[in-house]
Amino acid sequence: DAKTTQPPSMDCAEGRAANLPCNHSTISGNEYVYWYRQIHSQGPQYIIHGLKNNETNEMASLIITEDRKSSTLILPHATLRDTAVYYCIVRLNNAGNMLTFGGGTRLMVKP
Amino acid sequence: DAGVIQSPRHEVTEMGQEVTLRCKPISGHNSLFWYRQTMMRGLELLIYFNNNVPIDDSGMPEDRFSAKMPNASFSTLKIQPSEPRDSAVYFCASSTGTGLGYTFGSGTRLTVV
Repeated sequence: DAKTTQPPSMDCAEGRAANLPCNHSTISGNEYVYWYRQIHSQGPQYIIHGLKNNETNEMASLIITEDRKSSTLILPHATLRDTAVYYCIVRLNNAGNMLTFGGGTRLMVKP
Repeated sequence: DAGVIQSPRHEVTEMGQEVTLRCKPISGHNSLFWYRQTMMRGLELLIYFNNNVPIDDSGMPEDRFSAKMPNASFSTLKIQPSEPRDSAVYFCASSTGTGLGYTFGSGTRLTVV
């Protein structure tokens, strides 16, 4: 799986958009970008994933650059409950393929 | 569905004792993964199974660790003998064959004293 680079920490004001960047310059053409988050003391939780196109669901939006070498996870209206560690992972979408977690970004949403 | 169920939630044991962690994956998921999380090393994949068969156990730290999956609805991770450095949160996760995403359990917090 391709390696990813994320800032170790970020702050965001409650109610504002949180934009979490991820660099994956060695991503291959058939690797997907996945985002997970881990709220304190809980297991990681799936947020969103994409291959080439931008994606949106009820939790977040994922913006992938045209060259696919970087992406941004957007939480449009961050709440205090969004405080967590966010992991960007690139992987093949094969059956049973494992997830490899890096250090992630610790997002602190402040009142 | 109740999600991935792990037991116990917390385990405190003395060094040298055997510890068994349990996991019930989501029904219909055919891949199961065991992870360990510590402050120093983050989330590490220990072993994973496809259709109850161990595929990659290269993350298992040493022979004291063993994992089994006797059927599609149950897996165990055993540490014998346990050591203080095994103290960590152990997560189990399962996924479908499509690779859409994993579902993690709530974890077992192990403390070896």
